[in-house]
Amino acid sequence: AQSVTQPDIHITVSEGASLELRCNYSYGATPYLFWYVQSPGQGLQLLLKYFSGDTLVQGITGGEAEFKRRQSSYNLRKPSVHWSDAAEYFCAVETTSGTYKYIFGTGTRLKVLA
Amino acid sequence: DAMVIQNPRYQVTQFGKPVTLSCSQTLNHNVMYWYQQKSSQAPKLLFHYYDKDFNNEADTPDNFQSRRPNTSFCFLDIRSPGLGDAAMYLCATSRDPGGYEQYFGPGTRLTVT
Repeated sequence: AQSVTQPDIHITVSEGASLELRCNYSYGATPYLFWYVQSPGQGLQLLLKYFSGDTLVQGITGGEAEFKRRQSSYNLRKPSVHWSDAAEYFCAVETTSGTYKYIFGTGTRLKVLA
Repeated sequence: DAMVIQNPRYQVTQFGKPVTLSCSQTLNHNVMYWYQQKSSQAPKLLFHYYDKDFNNEADTPDNFQSRRPNTSFCFLDIRSPGLGDAAMYLCATSRDPGGYEQYFGPGTRLTVT
């Protein structure tokens, strides 16, 4: 069965520190890959997506995500965290054969220390 | 200029009393989704509409129904809410299935008393 694992439920970093959020998936082919962010009281917003091509995807908010096929991973990295980055981050995959299906990970809650 | 609107933002209902949650979109997207999200859990897809075609997830309880009267609106009906149905309900849209970003509304938090 397809699944998405985000092994870190909570992460706390200091402002200005670097960040890596981990995401692993289980699927028999290469899925579409997404990172979404959810601020308190808000819906989810797309940060990054990977469909094909260059495995390093740059986001508009200074983050990047790298697809690694052999590790079945799609980790999100940010070189310098800002206090406004505090939120919950969800990794998601969409299956690419048969019925397209979105599967979300359980999320990583990021806390930023001033 | 809101794109996916959910009403109400907060809904309190009594155990067993039917409740309807509303979602509307200004994106003219073909697909509309309903997710249930409980505290500290991943959003769980309940069902989605691809245009007028309804697609129910296998593990969605019969207690949950949906209607999509037109492209812009989609409703989630909970026929007999139980305490376990208290959650955030998220509506999302995408242009088409398969490789398109989903746009989420802010959610409706449902409380069952």
